[in-house]
Amino acid sequence: AQSVTQLDSQVPVFEEAPVELRCNYSSSVSVYLFWYVQYPNQGLQLLLKYLSGSTLVKGINGFEAEFNKSQTSFHLRKPSVHISDTAEYFCAVNLGGNTPLVFGKGTRLSVIA
Amino acid sequence: DAGITQSPRHKVTETGTPVTLRCHQTENHRYMYWYRQDPGHGLRLIHYSYGVKDTDKGEVSDGYSVSRSKTEDFLLTLESATSSQTSVYFCAISEGQGAKNIQYFGAGTRLSVL
Repeated sequence: AQSVTQLDSQVPVFEEAPVELRCNYSSSVSVYLFWYVQYPNQGLQLLLKYLSGSTLVKGINGFEAEFNKSQTSFHLRKPSVHISDTAEYFCAVNLGGNTPLVFGKGTRLSVIA
Repeated sequence: DAGITQSPRHKVTETGTPVTLRCHQTENHRYMYWYRQDPGHGLRLIHYSYGVKDTDKGEVSDGYSVSRSKTEDFLLTLESATSSQTSVYFCAISEGQGAKNIQYFGAGTRLSVL
């Protein structure tokens, strides 16, 4: 069965510092990968996705992620965070076919002024 | 919220009562999903639908039932609510599966079972 592991449940970081949120998945077949962001008291919004092609994917709000097939990882990065990036971030994996998305447990990013 | 409306947005109910949550979409997407979100567990899939009257169970389906009589509506019913079903419930939609399984989420329903 596929699974998704977000290695950090909470990540505090100072404003304007870089951040990396880690995501690993278990699968031996091709996958589709997603990052979602959830701001307080809201639903989830798609941040970026990897379906095929270039392994470096750019998303909204200056975020990017790199798909590494050999390490089965899809880490999310931003070179300089803002207070407004404070939110919970979810990694999700889809094996294709008719299988539903599997979500990680989330990483709460707190940006400190 | 990508044309997705969840109702009610908040509900407080008592143990043992039936509860129905509604998800309405205007996108004409084939797939609809119900998740629950709890601290430390992330999002867990309850049920999903891949067409009118076509539904399947997810990871945490016990105590829940669903119905989809129209493309635009997906109902989640707690037949007899328990305190363990206190949670935030999210509906999501997608065009399809695989590379088309880009899910869009509603704003959520916060349910408290006392």
